[in-house]
Amino acid sequence: GAGVSQSPSNKVTEKGKDVELRCDPISGHTALYWYRQSLGQGLEFLIYFQGNSAPDKSGLPSDRFSAERTGGSVSTLTIQRTQQEDSAVYLCASSLAPSYTGELFFGEGSRLTVL
Amino acid sequence: DAKTTQPNSMESNEEEPVHLPCNHSTISGTDYIHWYRQLPSQGPEYVIHGLTSNVNNRMASLAIAEDRKSSTLILHRATLRDAAVYYCTGRVGNTPLVFGKGTRLSVIA
Repeated sequence: GAGVSQSPSNKVTEKGKDVELRCDPISGHTALYWYRQSLGQGLEFLIYFQGNSAPDKSGLPSDRFSAERTGGSVSTLTIQRTQQEDSAVYLCASSLAPSYTGELFFGEGSRLTVL
Repeated sequence: DAKTTQPNSMESNEEEPVHLPCNHSTISGTDYIHWYRQLPSQGPEYVIHGLTSNVNNRMASLAIAEDRKSSTLILHRATLRDAAVYYCTGRVGNTPLVFGKGTRLSVIA
């Protein structure tokens, strides 16, 4: 379908390794968001992009986390030197307009397990 | 800030109406109130949003208090497929939608 696509759907890695999570938003959506959901918890905001720029990086938990978006489309969330507390489902969403005025469309998420 | 407060869980019988409450006493006058729901093992999905007036769509109705300090999501006839975590959310400052832990709705056949 034409929804938000995330990959990989599942990733198991060893502590200390780097991981990259990819998000392919709905075509034409200018805004893109990353959230994290730990087991049994609500969604924790990480970062959002308007076009290729990220006006708000305040949600990134530490400097081990970074994200980029190129061509106003695909985004990559990178976690360096992963820790066990990074284990969570990482959710990506996109929207036509800024989220506070319109609907967010979420992907199925990437489940990260750090051993 | 649109910090929201919701009950942790609610239960409903199938085919009965469900009223899911949310308090958002600090929401600004220009911020929309949004509702999303998350089915098991899926990403959240949009349900409805509104500013001041009550809103209806094919999924639900949203009743917003006159002072905008609270709102209620109404599912007119709960089905087993409506069992999910329901999030009431809004913008916090310039940060996009901030989600709390939501209300876990159980529907009993």
